[in-house]
Amino acid sequence: KQEVTQIPAALSVPEGENLVLNCSFTDSAIYNLQWFRQDPGKGLTSLLLIQSSQREQTSGRLNASLDKSSGRSTLYIAASQPGDSATYLCAVGDGQNFVFGPGTRLSVLP
Amino acid sequence: GAGVSQSPSNKVTEKGKDVELRCDPISGHTALYWYRQSLGQGLEFLIYFQGNSAPDKSGLPSDRFSAERTGGSVSTLTIQRTQQEDSAVYLCASSLASVAGGFYEQYFGPGTRLTVT
Repeated sequence: KQEVTQIPAALSVPEGENLVLNCSFTDSAIYNLQWFRQDPGKGLTSLLLIQSSQREQTSGRLNASLDKSSGRSTLYIAASQPGDSATYLCAVGDGQNFVFGPGTRLSVLP
Repeated sequence: GAGVSQSPSNKVTEKGKDVELRCDPISGHTALYWYRQSLGQGLEFLIYFQGNSAPDKSGLPSDRFSAERTGGSVSTLTIQRTQQEDSAVYLCASSLASVAGGFYEQYFGPGTRLTVT
């Protein structure tokens, strides 16, 4: 059974810092991995999708990497801004199901 | 174009009543997913549809939960004889789907907040 963990559970940084969020999964037989952000009381917003054949995806200040063999993905946020404050979730897709991690709650202080 | 929409946005119901939650996916998205997010918990996968069929219903928490999708578009999640532990935010997502397996990017609706009193 696929299990997804995220470290750290919470992170607080000053504005302008670069930061890395980690996602680990136990079964490397995945189709893809998707990163989302969730603002309080809101739904999920897709950030990046990495297919299993890819190693990284970039969108603006965000870069996500995937290492299937070690069961890891990282989300790199460059030059963080207060508007980046949210909970970040990774989800691993196995072809029929998506398993979500518990999330990392990020606070970027002005 | 329009995103995924869900209705109602909020629902308060008495224990024991039935409720119906609705999801309108993005036009052209053949895959549709239901999730549940309880207070302070992660997202729990409930069920997914490819077209009108649901290959795997094992994620539904109990036989009080059922879901259907007609016309390959709108889906309804029905909870019968609601219990207090059913209180959660129910999220729906849709995506394009590969016939060979695997999925494209998921787009989420705003969710329905269900409170069972």
